[in-house]
Parts: sequence; C-alpha cells; structure tokens
Amino acid sequence: GQQLNQSPQSMFIQEGEDVSMNCTSSSIFNTWLWYKQDPGEGPVLLIALYKAGELTSNGRLTAQFGITRKDSFLNISASIPSDVGIYFCAGPTSGTYKYIFGTGTRLKVLA
Amino acid sequence: EAQVTQNPRYLITVTGKKLTVTCSQNMNHEYMSWYRQDPGLGLRQIYYSMNVEVTDKGDVPEGYKVSRKEKRNFPLILESPSPNQTSLYFCASSLSGTRLFEQETQYFGPGTRLLVL
Repeated sequence: GQQLNQSPQSMFIQEGEDVSMNCTSSSIFNTWLWYKQDPGEGPVLLIALYKAGELTSNGRLTAQFGITRKDSFLNISASIPSDVGIYFCAGPTSGTYKYIFGTGTRLKVLA
Repeated sequence: EAQVTQNPRYLITVTGKKLTVTCSQNMNHEYMSWYRQDPGLGLRQIYYSMNVEVTDKGDVPEGYKVSRKEKRNFPLILESPSPNQTSLYFCASSLSGTRLFEQETQYFGPGTRLLVL
C-alpha cells in the first residue's frame, strides 16, 4: 500500500535553531497535512496544504506542498522548548477515503 | 466543548477476552476513524466510517471490528485480543464524509493504551 516516509526520524537541536523535516511518498497526494503530537496526547493539526507548490505558514511553522505532489516539507524557525514532540505528515489516499500517516519525526529541543 | 472522547484511557487484559473501546464525538461529524500507533510505524488506520451504517477497512483491520449505529459513536471491538494488538489507539473524526473529504481535517481523541497479556 501507499507509504509516507519521513526524515529525519529524530532530531536533537538547541533552542533558537531552525528545523527542517520532510515527507516523501511513492504516489501522488492531493492534500498534505502536518500534525504534531505532544507526549500523552492525540495528534493536533498544524498546517494543511491543498495545491502543488503551495507554501503556507502558521506562526513559526512553514510547510510546502511539493511540486511533484509526492513530497512535502515542514520548517520550524527559532525553536523553543514547547516545540518538543512528534511531527507527522499525513494525507488522504487518492481515490479512497483512507488516511495515511508518516512514521513521524521526533523533535527534542535542548534549552 | 467540541471534543472526541475515548474510554477507557488505559486497559490491561488477557489474550482472548473480548473488549470494546468506545469513541464518541459531539461535533456532528460524519467521518470517524480508528488508528493504532506503534513505535517506528506512525499511525495506521484500522477502520473508518463515512456515516451511519457505512464502514470500511483501513490498512490494518485484521482482528478488529467496528460498528456505526449512531452518528456520534464509533466503538472498536476486539473479539479475541492477542499480544500483537498491544498498542496505543486513537479515535478521530472529521466533518464531511464525502465531497469535501480531502479538505476536512481530523480531530483526535486522547488515546487508549491497551496491553494484552
């Protein structure tokens, strides 16, 4: 079936640094979603992307819908301790009502 | 307050003992879904429901059952749990089950941690 591969798997960064992570697929997606999961909680939507090439920001977060429709990128600028968590890319699979989630990028911020 | 609730939040059981995890949403959402989360594998969809009496398999449906008799409730049933079903389970819902599906975001419950001995 369709898979979403995220990289890196985990990151340790210093507070104030910028972060980049990406998500790739072997097939086309028409919607890309980025979620964040805090420890002990369910995922919460950060950014939704609906058009190839689209660049969308939410505060310090910026995400892009890849032009090939097979990838997406999430950047976090000036990281702070509360950015700690697992970041997932996700999307509805084309032609179905199923959702696919990536394997996640675990972010740790050192103060 | 708009929310998705799950019960129980934590459950320890033994192999073969039937169990049900309940999920309820108060947002009048049409689409509801169950996921399991395992380390290194992300979230994998078990079953989803487009509306009342309409359910379909996700990527990992084996060993699970669901029902959607009312719009607000979507219970997950494990008829004969096995240790490989030890996991963290999430229920989620979104507004539309059809036309706007690709533009609807999902709201997740707090999770149910299940241990099968």
